[in-house]
Amino acid sequence: AQKITQTQPGMFVQEKEAVTLDCTYDTSDQSYGLFWYKQPSSGEMIFLIYQGSYDEQNATEGRYSLNFQKARKSANLVISASQLGDSAMYFCAMGPSGNTPLVFGKGTRLSVIA
Amino acid sequence: NAGVTQTPKFRVLKTGQSMTLLCAQDMNHEYMYWYRQDPGMGLRLIHYSVGEGTTAKGEVPDGYNVSRLKKQNFLLGLESAAPSQTSVYFCATTMLEGGSGEQYFGPGTRLTVT
Repeated sequence: AQKITQTQPGMFVQEKEAVTLDCTYDTSDQSYGLFWYKQPSSGEMIFLIYQGSYDEQNATEGRYSLNFQKARKSANLVISASQLGDSAMYFCAMGPSGNTPLVFGKGTRLSVIA
Repeated sequence: NAGVTQTPKFRVLKTGQSMTLLCAQDMNHEYMYWYRQDPGMGLRLIHYSVGEGTTAKGEVPDGYNVSRLKKQNFLLGLESAAPSQTSVYFCATTMLEGGSGEQYFGPGTRLTVT
């Protein structure tokens, strides 16, 4: 079974600084994907970034990058130059495995301070 | 394109009442999912469907039923609501092949059972 662990319930970061949100995973699958979603206070789930297990380079999308360390089974999200609008819940997810969908972590609440 | 829509957005039920949540998608995706989100618990899968006419149980299926009579619609039913079913419910979809497995989410339904 696949499992995602996010050990930071909450994080604070100063505006314009970088922040790393931790995510570790467990799976016996050889092929899988790792995802990060953002959930602002308005409640919607916003897809941020994706990394395939066979991708050799770390994924980047604008200010978001995924620090993928396969041997350590970690997929940390790095947000550069934090903005006030980055304050939100962030969920790490992995999958899919066969017909079963993504498995989500419990999330990290990020607060950006001016 | 509307993407993934959910009806209703908010609902208050009394214990024992029944209701149906509707998820509709116009992306022609095969897979559809129902999650519930509770504080500190992340997203937990209730039921899912891998195609029209099929359904399967997820992590927390008790007290819920689902139907997928049409490819574009996925219904979640509560036959006899309980206060423990107070939650935010999300529908999500993903394509069968050719994608990363990224899930597209609806805006959510906030349900309160008194």
